[in-house]
Amino acid sequence: GAVVSQHPSWVICKSGTSVKIECRSLDFQATTMFWYRQFPKQSLMLMATSNEGSKATYEQGVEKDKFLINHASLTLSTLTVTSAHPEDSSFYICSAGGGTGIYQPQHFGDGTRLSIL
Amino acid sequence: AQSVTQLGSHVSVSEGALVLLRCNYSSSVPPYLFWYVQYPNQGLQLLLKYTSAATLVKGINGFEAEFKKSETSFHLTKPSAHMSDAAEYFCAVSGGNNFNKFYFGSGTKLNVKP
Repeated sequence: GAVVSQHPSWVICKSGTSVKIECRSLDFQATTMFWYRQFPKQSLMLMATSNEGSKATYEQGVEKDKFLINHASLTLSTLTVTSAHPEDSSFYICSAGGGTGIYQPQHFGDGTRLSIL
Repeated sequence: AQSVTQLGSHVSVSEGALVLLRCNYSSSVPPYLFWYVQYPNQGLQLLLKYTSAATLVKGINGFEAEFKKSETSFHLTKPSAHMSDAAEYFCAVSGGNNFNKFYFGSGTKLNVKP
């Protein structure tokens, strides 16, 4: 079946560095992908919609300059956490769906756990 | 705008007992509704979804949910709990200008006692 792959699954880095997370659709093309953030023991919050070939659409309250999203191809979206700080530590999950209908069954990646020291 | 409310952040049942996880939604347009399960340090697995067809939806692992418009509810049930059902469950809604953008409830952690 359709699979969405996220990489890395776990990353630990120092405060002030930038971290890139990849989300790939392995056997389908995705014109849109979605990025979510999950704080410990909390729900998933939609951060942004990643649009292939155009700018991402961010949810209210999400800093565009902090969370850079690039969707350069139909199978890859990247989320870069710039100048990361401990408060950016979280679990980040992407989703993608194939097809062209208004509803595309979403497949979620396994998530990336980001820890900023 | 869409939102979901999950009543009960923790639910505990005995093995073999009925599982009932509650979800109420708010939507200004006909919604699509979903239940996902998440095991520790893993992503989300779709249990079932309602996309405006049959109101009683059957999913994987013996779970089912019923869409009740009059009650704006989409509760998840399973007749007999298994130890392997212990996990966190999320209800989600989509709709409006984008059926692929989900808004999740706060989650319910299911504990199954032997």
